[in-house]
Amino acid sequence: EVQLSESGGGLVQPGGSLRLSCAASGFTFSSHAMSWVRQAPGKGLEWVSAISGSGGSTFYADSVKGRFTISRDNSKNALYLQMNSLRAEDTAVYYCAKDTEVVPPAGDAFDTWGQGTLVTVSS
Amino acid sequence: IQMTQSPSSLSASVGDRVTITCRASQSISGYLNWYQQKAGKAPNLLISAASSLQSGVPSRFSGSGSGTDFTLTITSLQPEDFATYYCQQSYNTPFTFGPGTKVNIK
Repeated sequence: EVQLSESGGGLVQPGGSLRLSCAASGFTFSSHAMSWVRQAPGKGLEWVSAISGSGGSTFYADSVKGRFTISRDNSKNALYLQMNSLRAEDTAVYYCAKDTEVVPPAGDAFDTWGQGTLVTVSS
Repeated sequence: IQMTQSPSSLSASVGDRVTITCRASQSISGYLNWYQQKAGKAPNLLISAASSLQSGVPSRFSGSGSGTDFTLTITSLQPEDFATYYCQQSYNTPFTFGPGTKVNIK
């Protein structure tokens, strides 16, 4: 069974940092790009970042470019999101999502999602 | 690429036919996906590439369209279909989602 499980969320002060992790199982991890998608409380979905299967290509939303860094460790079947200079508007549930493609963009779809981890940025 | 959806919400009864529209600000060919999200849960992929139904998704769901205009149709609404539906373009990064359409019980 394909599974994704996020961890690392919590309460952080504005300007602080947090590192999210996503543990993957049940599929060949390196054969799929992965993304982070977030959802602010009561709001819609916002794509945050993607990384190719090899980790050699990364992509970011303008809202997080220069502050967030996506990475992966294919030997551990793990995806990460390093979040620096956090702002109140980064408060959201962060989901990791499995991509149907190896290297975005290529008609990607997110066919498996984790349960999400809540990040709250507040003083 | 900006994505819009209409309506933003609708009220319907069990058995109704429901149509949700998604529009892209530029042509995205057929690179359009539909997701269903129930309250407190992660989204679930229903349809990819505008019209390809995902395994396990009931056949009452269908998608159509290309270019800039797309539709999601539910032919006979069931109680478990009350949820929020999002379209998402995968033509280029940054990938973008529509604002969502909430389907309520009438």
